[in-house]
Amino acid sequence: EAQVTQNPRYLITVTGKKLTVTCSQNMNHEYMSWYRQDPGLGLRQIYYSMNVEVTDKGDVPEGYKVSRKEKRNFPLILESPSPNQTSLYFCASSLSTPGHFSPATFGSGTRLTVV
Amino acid sequence: QKEVEQNSGPLSVPEGAIASLNCTYSDRGSQSFFWYRQYSGKSPELIMFIYSNGDKEDGRFTAQLNKASQYVSLLIRDSQPSDSATYLCAGPYGNQFYFGTGTSLTVIP
Repeated sequence: EAQVTQNPRYLITVTGKKLTVTCSQNMNHEYMSWYRQDPGLGLRQIYYSMNVEVTDKGDVPEGYKVSRKEKRNFPLILESPSPNQTSLYFCASSLSTPGHFSPATFGSGTRLTVV
Repeated sequence: QKEVEQNSGPLSVPEGAIASLNCTYSDRGSQSFFWYRQYSGKSPELIMFIYSNGDKEDGRFTAQLNKASQYVSLLIRDSQPSDSATYLCAGPYGNQFYFGTGTSLTVIP
């Protein structure tokens, strides 16, 4: 089954404790991205990657890191989480290439709470 | 102006009516737009995408793109209670992908 797998689904952590949210896709998609969703603000892109070893900042990259060492995986790293990073996070992938965007498939989401 | 802007609603329609959802965008060069449906707490799922000017129909859904006005819309005919959800429009700006803030639709039985 074609899918984007995100883990964990729920996570409660304490301020400053490093965490990683994993994302993996099995569709051989080039484009992968991370979003956070907050009430009233919609989905905002944190980071995106157009190919292996190529990552770029989205609109809200502060406090996050990503890597794209393999085509299928795109982990989101919070080195020192803070309460303002409490949010619902989505990973997505698509066949998008520069200048041509294709529909994205989303993971199931990770609800992160930082206390 | 935001890259993709959507009137937030909420929108309520009676069952069987037409629901009309609208979105504007700022990048005149954008070639593709997408409509997603999102149920509370769930991930967005693709409803329709449109790449060219004009209308595109798929079942009860029609997407409309007007590049001259930088306007994209989604019509849902014969609305059903199961259509009650938040609808997100999305489009590219450069290599980034932007979503509107969503329109909450309630279909009243």
